[in-house]
Amino acid sequence: DTGVSQDPRHKITKRGQNVTFRCDPISEHNRLYWYRQTLGQGPEFLTYFQNEAQLEKSRLLSDRFSAERPKGSFSTLEIQRTEQGDSAMYLCASSLQGMAKNIQYFGAGTRLSVL
Amino acid sequence: KQEVTQIPAALSVPEGENLVLNCSFTDSAIYNLQWFRQDPGKGLTSLLLIQSSQREQTSGRLNASLDKSSGRSTLYIAASQPGDSATYLCAVNRNTPLVFGKGTRLSVIA
Repeated sequence: DTGVSQDPRHKITKRGQNVTFRCDPISEHNRLYWYRQTLGQGPEFLTYFQNEAQLEKSRLLSDRFSAERPKGSFSTLEIQRTEQGDSAMYLCASSLQGMAKNIQYFGAGTRLSVL
Repeated sequence: KQEVTQIPAALSVPEGENLVLNCSFTDSAIYNLQWFRQDPGKGLTSLLLIQSSQREQTSGRLNASLDKSSGRSTLYIAASQPGDSATYLCAVNRNTPLVFGKGTRLSVIA
């Protein structure tokens, strides 16, 4: 069990560029979550997957955001036409449905800075 | 809609003091409550998890309590140390996404 891995750890981009983040969950976990955290705030839910199915998306996930989990293993979060307001920490978590009441384990996050 | 509030937003204490961080939530129908630590610019480290059927959990100098009926949890830190300086977040869980508070930023002064 190597924990939840996120890549890259930091990303600096110019406004208008596209960026993609990757999350590798704990291997046996079937649920994967994306959260966003801005400065001084708690993490806010973006979306989650059960296996390869995207089950829920929050209002925060605008049309410029898309998430995939093609084979039910790793997930990617893409932001198109980045804006300065997208600057945040993007956190990924995974869990095993039904076990220990769905305890979520978090990765170290990807910090995005949009210039 | 579940809302989580943490009080105080920031706290500064001298080294060695015992302290209490507070967390309240509006919907008592939760599976569990988790306390996390976050260092500046870093991810989340889970400190303690309390199942809805439990009243408290302890780990070293940390003790978390849960009163589900009143929608409250506290995190007690004994004999605080400068290395405890961080932001502490609580989050409640009911099957799907966690709902977080905004955190308490703790500074322990040597």
